[in-house]
Amino acid sequence: DVKVTQSSRYLVKRTGEKVFLECVQDMDHENMFWYRQDPGLGLRLIYFSYDVKMKEKGDIPEGYSVSREKKERFSLILESASTNQTSMYLCASSLGGQPQHFGDGTRLSIL
Amino acid sequence: TQLLEQSPQFLSIQEGENLTVYCNSSSVFSSLQWYRQEPGEGPVLLVTVVTGGEVKKLKRLTFQFGDARKDSSLHITAAQPGDTGLYLCAGVFGNQFYFGTGTSLTVIP
Repeated sequence: DVKVTQSSRYLVKRTGEKVFLECVQDMDHENMFWYRQDPGLGLRLIYFSYDVKMKEKGDIPEGYSVSREKKERFSLILESASTNQTSMYLCASSLGGQPQHFGDGTRLSIL
Repeated sequence: TQLLEQSPQFLSIQEGENLTVYCNSSSVFSSLQWYRQEPGEGPVLLVTVVTGGEVKKLKRLTFQFGDARKDSSLHITAAQPGDTGLYLCAGVFGNQFYFGTGTSLTVIP
């Protein structure tokens, strides 16, 4: 079974901090994705990556950046956290257009 | 603008009732996936439908892909409390995934 592991289930940070969310997958998938999930808004794509060192903006990239130095790891960075970035963050990986495999999510609170 | 619209957004029913969830778009997809997400977890794939008009069954769940590959439905027969969760559809075109807003289902014992 594919395993997508997100580094933290819950995280509390302060406004202005630089925040790193880590995601690791163990199935050699070339595609990796970061979403945020908010009530009534569904899953919104922040960034995705088709290969190492490649990244593409999703629907809501503002205030975020990503890093993919190794195929199995995709990091989401909040450069200067703000309260409107309080959300559930989900990482996923896939092989081409095959179904995505999700981590259990990180519930991030910015105070 | 949401590419995929799901309805209803919320659904609360008694155990044993039947229900249908809809996923609609004006765009054509190469395939459509349905996921279920339980509280505190990430979405998990239920099924993928690929061919227009295709029907797939997963125990009490029946999935149908529209003939034009623009829409899909999920029908649950005799719902159980274990069916409670958020149901998400996702249209796929190449490497692009487009998720619907989700239907939150609560089945009351």
